[in-house]
Amino acid sequence: EAQVTQNPRYLITVTGKKLTVTCSQNMNHEYMSWYRQDPGLGLRQIYYSMNVEVTDKGDVPEGYKVSRKEKRNFPLILESPSPNQTSLYFCASSSRTSYFETQYFGPGTRLLVL
Amino acid sequence: GEDVEQSLFLSVREGDSSVINCTYTDSSSTYLYWYKQEPGAGLQLLTYIFSNMDMKQDQRLTVLLNKKDKHLSLRIADTQTGDSAIYFCAEGRRGGADGLTFGKGTHLIIQP
Repeated sequence: EAQVTQNPRYLITVTGKKLTVTCSQNMNHEYMSWYRQDPGLGLRQIYYSMNVEVTDKGDVPEGYKVSRKEKRNFPLILESPSPNQTSLYFCASSSRTSYFETQYFGPGTRLLVL
Repeated sequence: GEDVEQSLFLSVREGDSSVINCTYTDSSSTYLYWYKQEPGAGLQLLTYIFSNMDMKQDQRLTVLLNKKDKHLSLRIADTQTGDSAIYFCAEGRRGGADGLTFGKGTHLIIQP
């Protein structure tokens, strides 16, 4: 089954404790992105990657890091989480050869930073 | 910069048609999308329209695009309780390859 998976689905942590949210897709997609969703703000792109070892900042990259060492994985790293990073995070992927199919979204990771 | 605007709420009676509107600013957008998010769930692609199209119909869904006014609408015919969700309008230049710009989402509320 074609899918994007994220782990964990729910996470409660404390300020300053490094964490990683994993994202994996099984569709051999070149493009992957991370978004955060906040009430009244919709979805905002954090980082995106157009292929292995190619990443770029989205609209709200501050406080986040990403890496793309393998095509299927695109982890989101919070080196020193802060309460304003409490949010719902979505990973997405899409294919270079199927533009119109747009992005497949993961189920989301709900993060609470105390 | 790029911006996508939507109303935050829409309330309709069950069985009526719902029309959710969206405006965007990026004239280079090649694709425009409608996503649905049910409570506690991820985003589900409902439909998309290429920027050189005026209309697209898919069962109960009709998408209208006015490229001159940069206005997009989603009409849901015979609205049902299962249509209750947040609907996001989004634009992209390369089908989402370098990311999509989303509106804030419209909460569709169905009255019995």
